Amino acid sequence: ETGVTQTPRHLVMGMTNKKSLKCEQHLGHNAMYWYKQSAKKPLELMFVYSLEERVENNSVPSRFSPECPNSSHLFLHLHTLQPEDSALYLCASSQDTGQAYGYTFGSGTRLTVV
Amino acid sequence: AQSVTQLGSHVSVSEGALVLLRCNYSSSVPPYLFWYVQYPNQGLQLLLKYTSAATLVKGINGFEAEFKKSETSFHLTKPSAHMSDAAEYFCAVRGMDSSYKLIFGSGTRLLVRP
Repeated sequence: ETGVTQTPRHLVMGMTNKKSLKCEQHLGHNAMYWYKQSAKKPLELMFVYSLEERVENNSVPSRFSPECPNSSHLFLHLHTLQPEDSALYLCASSQDTGQAYGYTFGSGTRLTVV
Repeated sequence: AQSVTQLGSHVSVSEGALVLLRCNYSSSVPPYLFWYVQYPNQGLQLLLKYTSAATLVKGINGFEAEFKKSETSFHLTKPSAHMSDAAEYFCAVRGMDSSYKLIFGSGTRLLVRP
């Protein structure tokens, strides 16, 4: 148990589907993040939320839509994805967006777009 | 802007041998530096972090890393490799400025031979 829980662990979806990834943390952290991990590419920061406000949208296509209803939950809504969006999507949290804080990661959702 | 470079996408050692994983950073301001480990089908777990205190940082599972400003390096070492150390290791940097981003290297996969 890492303190950050992601569901589902695996997801297969067609290009016309709509699905959502869920992330939950009960660490009392104020910042949450979505990262994309593709094979043979560095981890890509997608979104940053601090105190439920989005503070970063790292040029992510609009087919990815984040939502942070409260400081414990973070969602990533997916629609009309492309096969190249297949990847491991990692959620992380930190005490704050301050520099000294490391992240606590969830186990990720392995997404396959067919 | 901050960045990290990990030399060697794969490192192979024998069980009981020294582990050395290399990380060089680039930062216009003094950095905070992190090492994370990722086991198969898992998220990233924090091994250790440097936050401008002691230059030799000890982490979990017997790993340690030394911050060398003159070499802009933060290499990860372990005196004696165990089979359970086989995983992917990521170096990350965060600048001591207003940036809250954690920038990751491309990772080094550690293989441990019996």
